[in-house]
Amino acid sequence: GENVEQHPSTLSVQEGDSAVIKCTYSDSASNYFPWYKQELGKRPQLIIDIRSNVGEKKDQRIAVTLNKTAKHFSLHITETQPEDSAVYFCAASKGSARQLTFGSGTQLTVLP
Amino acid sequence: GAVVSQHPSRVICKSGTSVKIECRSLDFQATTMFWYRQFPKKSLMLMATSNEGSKATYEQGVEKDKFLINHASLTLSTLTVTSAHPEDSSFYICSALQAGGVQETQYFGPGTRLLVL
Repeated sequence: GENVEQHPSTLSVQEGDSAVIKCTYSDSASNYFPWYKQELGKRPQLIIDIRSNVGEKKDQRIAVTLNKTAKHFSLHITETQPEDSAVYFCAASKGSARQLTFGSGTQLTVLP
Repeated sequence: GAVVSQHPSRVICKSGTSVKIECRSLDFQATTMFWYRQFPKKSLMLMATSNEGSKATYEQGVEKDKFLINHASLTLSTLTVTSAHPEDSSFYICSALQAGGVQETQYFGPGTRLLVL
């Protein structure tokens, strides 16, 4: 089955700096890659997703890039703010959002 | 985004009792819902896929007789933890699949924290 690895497990950045979280996947048939943000004790919230027919997607301060050849995708957050502090999960699936395999998560801390 | 609710948000029960958790899609119909379990500071582990009108599909290692799933309507799935034991204590999160043409998205509920004494 699919295996998703996520790095780093923890990341601290100064407010205003950029943060990058990377994930690799094993199944070349995977074609849907969402990113979720989870604050402590709260639900995971979809913040951005990308499908394999594009290489990059951007939504304000958040962007995701996908390299299908290398089988990795990354989350980029620019101009980080303290409210960006949370755990971020990447995921991968084939065909749709049905069978999501999650990465292990990254605890992002934005220092004021 | 779509709204998914989960009830209760927190439950404490005695060992040996059963606990039912409800997951509802509030503003869309969901033929497919998912149940996850999350341990502290860990990732989400898929337990089972709940399909409206048919039997749930369980992941390897998940006991279907212990974690009963019912998806009786297009907006409601329930997870019943039967004869709960302390090792069942965890954060249980459901999600609902919103289908929109070729694009589908999972939206998560707020989770249920179960503590078995």
